[in-house]
Amino acid sequence: GQSLEQPSEVTAVEGAIVQINCTYQTSGFYGLSWYQQHDGGAPTFLSYNALDGLEETGRFSSFLSRSDSYGYLLLQELQMKDSASYFCAVNQAGTALIFGKGTTLSVSS
Amino acid sequence: NAGVTQTPKFRVLKTGQSMTLLCAQDMNHEYMYWYRQDPGMGLRLIHYSVGEGTTAKGEVPDGYNVSRLKKQNFLLGLESAAPSQTSVYFCATHQGDYEQYFGPGTRLTVT
Repeated sequence: GQSLEQPSEVTAVEGAIVQINCTYQTSGFYGLSWYQQHDGGAPTFLSYNALDGLEETGRFSSFLSRSDSYGYLLLQELQMKDSASYFCAVNQAGTALIFGKGTTLSVSS
Repeated sequence: NAGVTQTPKFRVLKTGQSMTLLCAQDMNHEYMYWYRQDPGMGLRLIHYSVGEGTTAKGEVPDGYNVSRLKKQNFLLGLESAAPSQTSVYFCATHQGDYEQYFGPGTRLTVT
């Protein structure tokens, strides 16, 4: 079977750093993506890792270890607007995405 | 550019009724996808298309049909709606890179 595991909820305060982990077990793997979704709206792309290591985009970074089938999304200098659901997704066969169930991040002041 | 649009935004159906959801994109992307999202379940792939005139089954295709007669449109059909198809449906497109672009969603309730 195919599965992606990520925590269901994470809470943090403004200005803090939070890490959302994702472990995966899938047939076929091209890379790991992260998407953000606010209040059931359209998911939006955050980052992509095809190779091992850290990718940094502003306050957000994403890490991948292919040998461990593990990745994480790191959010720094948290802001209230970062409260949202975050999904990891495995890119398969270069096109289809298999999504995790999502992590709800709540940022408080 | 409108990006990815979905019609309708909301719909309530009775069990056994049929309907078609429309996804339109103006980005000239080859790949288009239909996902459904249920509470606590993440997004699951229903059907997808790698180009005009092509379709393929995803993870949860049963009860749905699709057509891609024009490159810019991807239609999702429910021939006989069931309460289990109550969900939020998202369309997405993709071209070349790894990023998928999602539409705003269609919220469907089947009573």
